[in-house]
Amino acid sequence: AQSVSQHNHHVILSEAASLELGCNYSYGGTVNLFWYVQYPGQHLQLLLKYFSGDPLVKGIKGFEAEFIKSKFSFNLRKPSVQWSDTAEYFCAVIKSDYKLSFGAGTTVTVRA
Amino acid sequence: GAVVSQHPSRVICKSGTSVKIECRSLDFQATTMFWYRQFPKQSLMLMATSNEGSKATYEQGVEKDKFLINHASLTLSTLTVTSAHPEDSSFYICSASPRDRGNEQFFGPGTRLTVL
Repeated sequence: AQSVSQHNHHVILSEAASLELGCNYSYGGTVNLFWYVQYPGQHLQLLLKYFSGDPLVKGIKGFEAEFIKSKFSFNLRKPSVQWSDTAEYFCAVIKSDYKLSFGAGTTVTVRA
Repeated sequence: GAVVSQHPSRVICKSGTSVKIECRSLDFQATTMFWYRQFPKQSLMLMATSNEGSKATYEQGVEKDKFLINHASLTLSTLTVTSAHPEDSSFYICSASPRDRGNEQFFGPGTRLTVL
């Protein structure tokens, strides 16, 4: 069975701090990986995705993620967070049947 | 592009009634639509996958007679919660995959269902 693990349940940090959210998946085949963000009261938005090629993927709003195949990881990073980055972040993996499996999510709270 | 809408955004109903939620892809044709359920502070759980013109495929543990899904056209899927009970109260989210981008999903804004 495939699963997606997000290591941090809740992260609290100050503005300008660096952010890294861990994501690991358990699936041996070819994967497509995603990070979604859900701002308070809003719907899911795609931050970035990895299908193939350069394992370092850049997304919107200054976010990036690195796919490390040997570690089955797809960690999300942002060098300097802003108050507006306060949101719920979900890592997701798409299977060969085009079904998305989501991690449990990480709540990020950025203090001004 | 790739906008997905849901209607209604919020609905309150009495126990025993049925509620229909619509999911529309506004600017693309969606051969596949997905329905998710999200409990407070939890992740999205896939309920079912619907392909236009065919029966929906339900995930294990999801009652197909309770959650009726219809995907009548390439831009519309509906989820009907039949004989709703308080435990059905949740946030229901749909997503849609464009015809030529099956490995991407675009999400609707969700529908908050409260059953009294």
